[in-house]
Amino acid sequence: AQSVTQPDIHITVSEGASLELRCNYSYGATPYLFWYVQSPGQGLQLLLKYFSGDTLVQGIKGFEAEFKRSQSSFNLRKPSVHWSDAAEYFCAVGASNNNDMRFGAGTRLTVKP
Amino acid sequence: DAGITQSPRHKVTETGTPVTLRCHQTENHRYMYWYRQDPGHGLRLIHYSYGVKDTDKGEVSDGYSVSRSKTEDFLLTLESATSSQTSVYFCAISESGAYGNTIYFGEGSWLTVV
Repeated sequence: AQSVTQPDIHITVSEGASLELRCNYSYGATPYLFWYVQSPGQGLQLLLKYFSGDTLVQGIKGFEAEFKRSQSSFNLRKPSVHWSDAAEYFCAVGASNNNDMRFGAGTRLTVKP
Repeated sequence: DAGITQSPRHKVTETGTPVTLRCHQTENHRYMYWYRQDPGHGLRLIHYSYGVKDTDKGEVSDGYSVSRSKTEDFLLTLESATSSQTSVYFCAISESGAYGNTIYFGEGSWLTVV
């Protein structure tokens, strides 16, 4: 079965600094990969997803992620972080349909003024 | 925002009592899901439904049952709540089960079993 690891439980960055959140997956074939964001007390919102094609995926809110098959990674990036980006971020990997999706444990992002 | 309403949003209950969480959607989506979210585990699928009266188990289904008698409503029942079921429960919907379709999440139901 597929699985996903987010190595960083908590990251703190200064407002305006760049951000990279790490995600490593385990799956034998080409995976379906997702990044979700969860603001406090809210549900999850899809930031971006990768199915095939261009390995650099653009998402909402200025986020992008790059699929690297050789490293089994799908890291999320943003060039300049805003205070409103403070939230918890979840990477997810899927195989064939939505009920096979597996979520990582999440990375909590704190943004310093 | 997707039209998903979860009720109750917060509940404290005693061990051994039955609990039902309700999810109501206004999007007419075919698929509905119940997840639980626990620290260190992310979200894990409990049960899902692919149509009225059509349901199936997810990754962590033990101790839970579901029912879907109408397209818009998906109920999650804990027949006899235990402390290990203290969690945040999320309902989600998608138009189909294929990965081309985005999953939309509700705002969550916080359940504490004492």
